Order: sequence, then structure tokens, then C-alpha cells
Amino acid sequence: GAVVSQHPSWVICKSGTSVKIECRSLDFQATTMFWYRQFPKQSLMLMATSNEGSKATYEQGVEKDKFLINHASLTLSTLTVTSAHPEDSSFYICSAGPSNPNIQYFGAGTRLSVL
Amino acid sequence: GQQLNQSPQSMFIQEGEDVSMNCTSSSIFNTWLWYKQDPGEGPVLLIALYKAGELTSNGRLTAQFGITRKDSFLNISASIPSDVGIYFCAGRPGAGSYQLTFGKGTKLSVIP
Repeated sequence: GAVVSQHPSWVICKSGTSVKIECRSLDFQATTMFWYRQFPKQSLMLMATSNEGSKATYEQGVEKDKFLINHASLTLSTLTVTSAHPEDSSFYICSAGPSNPNIQYFGAGTRLSVL
Repeated sequence: GQQLNQSPQSMFIQEGEDVSMNCTSSSIFNTWLWYKQDPGEGPVLLIALYKAGELTSNGRLTAQFGITRKDSFLNISASIPSDVGIYFCAGRPGAGSYQLTFGKGTKLSVIP
């Protein structure tokens, strides 16, 4: 299957700082990537759809100014958590997939801990 | 919005037993996907289904796309300890959107 790489896998930061998470499609081009958030023992919650060359589409309740998404190339999308607070601590996962077949592959996730 | 009901929420089974879990939807999906997630990892795709009635196997795993397009099941035969994890179903509604709707997961525990 296709490979999606996510980096870093784990990050600890101080409250008020910003953290950038990268999502790369290694063996295919992805015009669309997705960012999810997952709390312990819960399912994946879609945060936003990242579109190459255009603005991301955010789900209801997700602050676009806090979770900045940039999809500058067909193989890279980044999620920046700005002015992070302890309540932003979570597991963030990206996904992407070739358009044909239409399936999504997930990165390994990023564990964010905000102190 | 669309919702997926996944059951059971958790299962404890003896090694060697077969397992079955399912997802039902309030609306039609054109694609059904089954993923497995280990702790601290991203979900890994197990099986993808594209047509109503489709039955697909991947080793000891078998999944089917329901005829009504509103349900899917996943079977695991002869379970082994490494089958432990959380299994998620996911559905895609149709053309024009790549977004997936996820079930809440089935946590599988295998007793050696």
C-alpha cells in the first residue's frame, strides 16, 4: 500500500509555543490530505481537509487561526498548532491517498504534550 | 451528519476463536474501509470494499460490503494474540468527497 510519513512522532512543548507537524506522501501525489485528532479511547475526529494550492477546509468547531494548515506541494501538508495550551495535548494523525483507488492511508501519528 | 454505529465496543476472546464485528450507517456509503490501530500508532488499512455485496479477504480477515450499502462486517478467523488492537470501520459517502466517517471502534482482546 501507499506510504504516508508523519513527523515528529512525539513532541513536548511549553504552553504558548507553536508546534509544526509534517505529513508526507512518499510514493504518490496527494492533492488532498486530512488531519485528525484523537483523544484517548476515542475514534478519530476530522479536523480539516488540506487542499494543495488552496485554503484548507475546517470542520465545525475547529479554529482555523489556531490550527494552521499549509499544503504547498503535492506531497507535503503541515499542521501548525499555534500558541499551544495543555488542552491541545492530543494525538494528531494525518491521512492521504491516491485518487484511484480512493482509499486513505494514515501516518503513524504525532503525540503532542503541552506543559 | 452521517453516523456509523460500530459494534461491539469491545470483545474478549480466547486465542483460536473467530471474531465478528460490524458497522451500520444511517445513509448509503460507496466505499467501506476497515482499519486496525495499535496503541500510539496510526490506523493501518486492512481491507477496502467498493461494491455492494463485495466480499474480500486478506489472510484470516474477511469483510463484506452490505447489499443495502448501509452496513459492513469484518470477520477474523482463528484469532492470535497479535490481533489485539482497536478496529475501526470507515465509510465514504460518494463521489466528490474523499472524507471518511469513522465508527467508534471495536477493542479486541485475545486471551492466550
